[in-house]
Amino acid sequence: QLPLQESGPGLVEPSETLSLTCTVSGVSISSSSFYWGWIRQPPGKGLEWVGTIFYIGSTYYNPSLKSRVTISVDTSKNQFSLKLSSVTAADTAVYYCARHFSIVGATNDAFDMWGQGTKVTVSS
Amino acid sequence: SYVLTQPPSVSVAPGQTARITCGGNNIGSKSVNWYQEKPGQAPVLVVYDDSDRPSGIPERFSGSNSGNTATLSISRVEAGDEADYHCQVWDSSSDRYVFGTGTKVTVL
Repeated sequence: QLPLQESGPGLVEPSETLSLTCTVSGVSISSSSFYWGWIRQPPGKGLEWVGTIFYIGSTYYNPSLKSRVTISVDTSKNQFSLKLSSVTAADTAVYYCARHFSIVGATNDAFDMWGQGTKVTVSS
Repeated sequence: SYVLTQPPSVSVAPGQTARITCGGNNIGSKSVNWYQEKPGQAPVLVVYDDSDRPSGIPERFSGSNSGNTATLSISRVEAGDEADYHCQVWDSSSDRYVFGTGTKVTVL
């Protein structure tokens, strides 16, 4: 069983809401040492951070997506979820969930555990 | 917003050293991470905080960062190193994690 596993529809219609869930195995999502994030990669493009949640529910999002993104956590199921509203073809991408931690002494986090990614296509 | 520029591709013969650059304005003042991505697999953190290696990553992977360029070096390249490599920083001016454009490493 993979430590992080994304699940959700592979096809979403334009203007609808994309919903994905990440199931975490082998480590508690309630650990105070880690944050849990979503990253996506559109076809032929680089990686783009979508947003992050801490187990108590605090979130921060990519400013360019903030108005459409909601990330939530369910500690009882060891899962966290992504909702992206009003999707367009530009939201077509492989979506990854990942764990990250704050690097001591540095203003950066390292994403040290990733899911394999799930492809989401926005099309009617 | 902050932009990280990588060469689209780097080719290297087995046993040689591959060097992948990541350019950004004064990137030397930031902490840089590097990720390896193979088709159909989860990305893997290979270098963090410019030059540290997570446990399990071979010493052949090393990083440096100065001025406007960060560099990931892979020495004694093997066929299994063929992958896409991405650099990443935190941009405090726009409050976001930023990834580079990605570099495809081909082992000849």
